[in-house]
Amino acid sequence: EDKVVQSPLSLVVHEGDTVTLNCSYEVTNFRSLLWYKQEKKAPTFLFMLTSSGIEKKSGRLSSILDKKELFSILNITATQTGDSAVYLCAEGGGSNYKLTFGKGTLLTVNP
Amino acid sequence: NAGVTQTPKFQVLKTGQSMTLQCAQDMNHNSMYWYRQDPGMGLRLIYYSASEGTTDKGEVPNGYNVSRLNKREFSLRLESAAPSQTSVYFCASAGRVAGSETQYFGPGTRLLVL
Repeated sequence: EDKVVQSPLSLVVHEGDTVTLNCSYEVTNFRSLLWYKQEKKAPTFLFMLTSSGIEKKSGRLSSILDKKELFSILNITATQTGDSAVYLCAEGGGSNYKLTFGKGTLLTVNP
Repeated sequence: NAGVTQTPKFQVLKTGQSMTLQCAQDMNHNSMYWYRQDPGMGLRLIYYSASEGTTDKGEVPNGYNVSRLNKREFSLRLESAAPSQTSVYFCASAGRVAGSETQYFGPGTRLLVL
């Protein structure tokens, strides 16, 4: 059974801090690793990673995948209160674009 | 281009009642999905449809049925609602972003079963 584990489950930081969110996976047929941000509504897509060692970046957010060690990290630098959300990691190893989600990391950024 | 839409946004049911959650997408995607999200459990796949006319069970299908009415629409039915089905339900469809597939989510339906 495919499994995705995120850590920590929750995190509280102050504005300006840098945070690293972790995602490890065990899957039988890896296709891609995805990160989503969820703010009290639908998850919104952040990144998709398919190749090891290639960093994807969008503003203050960046993510990288290690296919040998089966994990990914999501970094957020200079955090802002608007970054407060649940960050979901998902593995897209199933057929028909099926995703297996982790339980998410709740990030709270205090002013 | 509305993306993925869901109705209703919120519903209260009594145990044993039935209802259908509606989902539609206007992105011409083949694949559509129904998830439920419970506190501390992440998103769990209920059913999915790889293409019009096909449906398959996901991780937690018991107590639910689905219909892929056409390429745009994928509905989820609760025949006899139970309190354990109190949850937030998300519909999603899958398409390509920068050459790779990803899923786009609807706004969700919050369901309370008393």
